[in-house]
Amino acid sequence: QKEVEQDPGPLSVPEGAIVSLNCTYSNSAFQYFMWYRQYSRKGPELLMYTYSSGNKEDGRFTAQVDKSSKYISLFIRDSQPSDSATYLCAMSADRDDKIIFGKGTRLHILP
Amino acid sequence: DTGVSQNPRHKITKRGQNVTFRCDPISEHNRLYWYRQTLGQGPEFLTYFQNEAQLEKSRLLSDRFSAERPKGSFSTLEIQRTEQGDSAMYLCASSLAPIQTQYFGPGTRLLVL
Repeated sequence: QKEVEQDPGPLSVPEGAIVSLNCTYSNSAFQYFMWYRQYSRKGPELLMYTYSSGNKEDGRFTAQVDKSSKYISLFIRDSQPSDSATYLCAMSADRDDKIIFGKGTRLHILP
Repeated sequence: DTGVSQNPRHKITKRGQNVTFRCDPISEHNRLYWYRQTLGQGPEFLTYFQNEAQLEKSRLLSDRFSAERPKGSFSTLEIQRTEQGDSAMYLCASSLAPIQTQYFGPGTRLLVL
């Protein structure tokens, strides 16, 4: 079992819909959780960064962490075609620890 | 633009040749990371530096790979005797320790023929 599991998709949703992206993990030591967005042939771009359990909101994006279930989510409200990209979850056990990435979920927002 | 930069952006080489990539981090960042990403996968950690010290290397980093950050600023990643399995996107990221937030460069796409 990989440390971080993420459905690769692709996930296609109509413009304006709410998108839900998820990851599960096996290492209970993970405390820092991130979501990156990666456009084709570009480097990943940090979207959200959270510590421990709880919710964090930034504009149309909301990140949720449930450490008891080892499950994290990213919600995108009012999705736009420009949100079409690969979304990578990432996590680490400590500030000084390396980051472990999921495989990424390819998202297509249909106009 | 004060983000992370990487050069070259693309590299095509023949099997057995040596290649070197360069990464220039965000100027005040003391940590620099190298990752490798293959199609359909997330980035995989290779190594990282704090200032000029190389603090950790992944077991993915075979003896053919070497990374340096001689003055704690830019870094180079060299692959000797390239193999077709080395074809991937090589990503560099930097951060300001102890803050975990890493900022990625655009990557160098390597194709080994």
